[in-house]
Amino acid sequence: DAGVTQSPTHLIKTRGQQVTLRCSPKSGHDTVSWYQQALGQGPQFIFQYYEEEERQRGNFPDRFSGHQFPNYSSELNVNALLLGDSALYLCASSLKGISNQPQHFGDGTRLSIL
Amino acid sequence: GESVGLHLPTLSVQEGDNSIINCAYSNSASDYFIWYKQESGKGPQFIIDIRSNMDKRQGQRVTVLLNKTVKHLSLQIAATQPGDSAVYFCAEKVYSTLTFGKGTMLLVSP
Repeated sequence: DAGVTQSPTHLIKTRGQQVTLRCSPKSGHDTVSWYQQALGQGPQFIFQYYEEEERQRGNFPDRFSGHQFPNYSSELNVNALLLGDSALYLCASSLKGISNQPQHFGDGTRLSIL
Repeated sequence: GESVGLHLPTLSVQEGDNSIINCAYSNSASDYFIWYKQESGKGPQFIIDIRSNMDKRQGQRVTVLLNKTVKHLSLQIAATQPGDSAVYFCAEKVYSTLTFGKGTMLLVSP
């Protein structure tokens, strides 16, 4: 039973560039959430996708956007990259309709901005 | 805004000791709490959860206590092992999203 998988594991970009990160949810899950984790900090919620639509959004600018596909996989896009976007980006999946269940996390994509 | 925070950034224990990691939360609307363990280079791993209508929940070597009166959460690890060394986060759920604290690093020495 495959868990949450993310790609790539590491990525280096320069300021102003754009990046796309990918996530496949745990088998049986239909909801994907994205988090940004700065070094030494806890994960910060970016947004959540369900039924191919953004359902919840945290305090992140419009440069952060996403997409969910019919197979429940998801992408996180960040435009006009800033040095401060350097972080570990985590994807978590869950099953909608079941309240109070833990989200399952992937191992993240480490994004470094030069 | 309201947030989850931890009292101790680093906790050092000897192998075999019991460990207690604390967490304060401030959002009274939170109805579900989770403890995650994060090892270096990996994503958060689910340890144990508790609903707001409970005071205590036990798992294998771990116990979570919830005190809603003072908005306090704790994770107890019995007979701590070197493999328990990691950063531990508490998270609270409000309206289907999770809010994490900054984390506590647990260091277990043999």
